Order: sequence, then C-alpha cells, then structure tokens
Amino acid sequence: DAKTTQPPSMDCAEGRAANLPCNHSTISGNEYVYWYRQIHSQGPQYIIHGLKNNETNEMASLIITEDRKSSTLILPHATLRDTAVYYCIVRVAGTGANNLFFGTGTRLTVIP
Amino acid sequence: DAGVTQSPTHLIKTRGQQVTLRCSPKSGHDTVSWYQQALGQGPQFIFQYYEEEERQRGNFPDRFSGHQFPNYSSELNVNALLLGDSALYLCASSLVRGFTEAFFGQGTRLTVV
Repeated sequence: DAKTTQPPSMDCAEGRAANLPCNHSTISGNEYVYWYRQIHSQGPQYIIHGLKNNETNEMASLIITEDRKSSTLILPHATLRDTAVYYCIVRVAGTGANNLFFGTGTRLTVIP
Repeated sequence: DAGVTQSPTHLIKTRGQQVTLRCSPKSGHDTVSWYQQALGQGPQFIFQYYEEEERQRGNFPDRFSGHQFPNYSSELNVNALLLGDSALYLCASSLVRGFTEAFFGQGTRLTVV
C-alpha cells in the first residue's frame, strides 16, 4: 500500500470548516483513499473513502485531486467533539481491516 | 447491534509474564485483525485471522500469537512480556469479501511493569 504524508497538527475554530490535507504521490490506480479518526483513548473510527471522485457523507467531504496524488478531508462545521487524530490511508478496496498503515496522522484541535 | 468489543479494558502485567486479550467482532463480520498502538504513534498491524487461521502478519516477533474461534471471536496472546509491549491493543473486524470498512474496538490498555 502507498504511504501518505500529513501535517502533524492543525487548529480550527469551532463552527469553521476544517480542511485536512494528505499527500499520496505514489498511489496506484486501484488504491482508494480512506480517512479514519481516533478520538483520545478510543479506537479508530471510519470517516469516508474515495477513488477519484469527490465524496460526501454525513460526517465529511473528501476532495481528491485529478492526478490523485493528494486529497483533502473537509469537516464543514467543526465542533469540539471533532478534536482527534485524523489518519489518511491509501489501500486497495475490499481488504477490510487487513494491514492498514496508519502513520502518525494529523492532530486536529478545535478551539472554542 | 453490538460493535467490536474487547476485554479487558485495562491490564497490568509484570515483565516476563504472559497475557491474553480477547475480541468479539461486529455482528456479521468474519475477519479479525489486531493492532498495537504505542503512545504517540499510529496503530501498527500485528496479524489478521480468517477461518480460524492467521492469514497475514506484520513485523512482530512470534511472542505474539493469536487464535480465532468458530464464532469468529479472537484472542491475542503475548508471551515473555517486555516493557516495550506496553501499548493500546486494538481489534478490528471486517468482512473478508466485498467492501466493508474496518470497525475498531475501544482497545485494551496493557501496561508492563
């Protein structure tokens, strides 16, 4: 699976959009971009995934560049409960929980 | 519908001892993966079990072993504990076929003293 690069930390004001970037320049054609987050002392939680089209669900939006070498996770109206470490992972779809490479992620702090 | 459940939540062991951690997957899931998360680091893949066999393994010594039962639940065993084994141990479940995202449990916090 391709490796990713994320900034170690970011701050966001409560109620504003949080934009979390991820670089994955070595992504392969059959690899998807997945985002998970981990709130302190809890297990990681799935947020969203995509291949090349932009995706949106009830939690977030995922914007993938046309060359697929980078992506941005958008939390449209950040709340204090969104403070967490966010992990960007690229992998082939359909392999479930097998051998996910988390890296160190981005620690997002939402400020009141 | 219960998610992934792990037990115990916290555990303190002495160096050299053995420990067993337990995981029940999300209902309907047949595959269990185990991860180790040291303080300040992202989770690292230990191994995955499907059909009661270890299918893939990360870069962990054979002091780490596991088992999957017919009901899909799983155990992680660690022998000859080292201080460096202190970590949060996470269990994740999924389906082996078709797309499903991984569902993680809350983890077991192991402290080796």
